[in-house]
Amino acid sequence: AQRVTQPEKLLSVFKGAPVELKCNYSYSGSPELFWYVQYSRQRLQLLLRHISRESIKGFTADLNKGETSFHLKKPFAQEEDSAMYYCALGRGGSNYKLTFGKGTLLTVNP
Amino acid sequence: NAGVTQTPKFQVLKTGQSMTLQCAQDMNHNSMYWYRQDPGMGLRLIYYSASEGTTDKGEVPNGYNVSRLNKREFSLRLESAAPSQTSVYFCASSSTGLYGYTFGSGTRLTVV
Repeated sequence: AQRVTQPEKLLSVFKGAPVELKCNYSYSGSPELFWYVQYSRQRLQLLLRHISRESIKGFTADLNKGETSFHLKKPFAQEEDSAMYYCALGRGGSNYKLTFGKGTLLTVNP
Repeated sequence: NAGVTQTPKFQVLKTGQSMTLQCAQDMNHNSMYWYRQDPGMGLRLIYYSASEGTTDKGEVPNGYNVSRLNKREFSLRLESAAPSQTSVYFCASSSTGLYGYTFGSGTRLTVV
């Protein structure tokens, strides 16, 4: 079975401080990992895909297969980063679906 | 460029009433999904449809039914609403999976 764990429900940092949102997964196959962001009462938006190794809005995430982690990082947090962040794990094949973690609510204080 | 459209955005039901949540996508995606979002629980999969003509149960299917009307539309029906079904419901669609999902804006449902 596949599982995604986001150990922090809440994370509060000050503007300009580094931020790291943790995500650990369990999956026996080759994982496809994503970070989604949800701003207050809006739809979920794709932030990052591990396969693309890109940086979006200053955020990066590296897949560590040894530690089964996909932590989201940003060196200098901004107030507009305040949102709910979800890590998601995909399983390939014909019945493709994502398993989501329970989310981390990030608050960036001025 | 609508993406995934959900209707209605808000709904209040009385216990025992029925309703259908509508979802349509215009991206020619094969797969569509219904999730519910509850505080502290994240997103949980209710039902999904890997392709037109097929539907499968997800993690929390009890009390719900779905219909994949055509490639564009995937509806979720509550036959007899219960207070435990108070939630925010999100529809999503996907093509190959490598790009993840595109989500709708959600339906906020309250059952009293």
